Amino acid sequence: DIQMTQSPSSLSASVGDRVTITCRASQTISNHLNWYQHIPGKAPKVLIYAASTLQSGVPSRFSGSGSGTDFTLTISGLQREDFATYYCQQSYSTALTFGGGTKVEI
Amino acid sequence: QIQLQQSGPGLVKPSQTLSLTCAVSGDNVANNSATWHWIRQSPSRGFEWLGRTYFRSKWYHDFADSVKGRLTANADTSKNQFSLQLSSVTPEDTAVYFCARGAMAAIYWYLDLWGRGTLVTVSS
Repeated sequence: DIQMTQSPSSLSASVGDRVTITCRASQTISNHLNWYQHIPGKAPKVLIYAASTLQSGVPSRFSGSGSGTDFTLTISGLQREDFATYYCQQSYSTALTFGGGTKVEI
Repeated sequence: QIQLQQSGPGLVKPSQTLSLTCAVSGDNVANNSATWHWIRQSPSRGFEWLGRTYFRSKWYHDFADSVKGRLTANADTSKNQFSLQLSSVTPEDTAVYFCARGAMAAIYWYLDLWGRGTLVTVSS
């Protein structure tokens, strides 16, 4: 299986900050990379698919970049409702795999 | 509004079979462009993809190697739902189980709709 490694595992930030989360794949996945936001007790929500395409309805402060093995999720101007855990996930192979998550805390 | 509603027991005894169902509203489980997935989350394994079911003139199922041989999946078009059965469970199978819809944009797959999750505890 393709291994996905995220960093950092957690970070502290304030409202208005710019936050960057990185994700590395164990082999090239082109741009078959998705980002999700998860708040415990709620359904995970897709933010970005195909590495950089913003899902409909997701605020434009979220952006994604990268290709091959290295990817980035950026939140420009953190809002209170953005405090959550973020996961990357590859869809290059049938066996989907996820990163370990990055918890964004106040 | 498209929704996935999960149901199933929260407690299963070791060696028994875990069964979960995901009812689809606002879409058709036999949709030729969607796939239907099961994923679980636990502190030790994080998010772990278990398998998918989809219809392309007939039903197809793919399973993760980690549960292959123990996992059965099927879909019921009359009830518009899909389900999972995981046999011979152990405490290692304790997790929050999610169902999700796989959507495709061009050649890219992503999980665009998720259920809220069901905590399943394996314990005697």
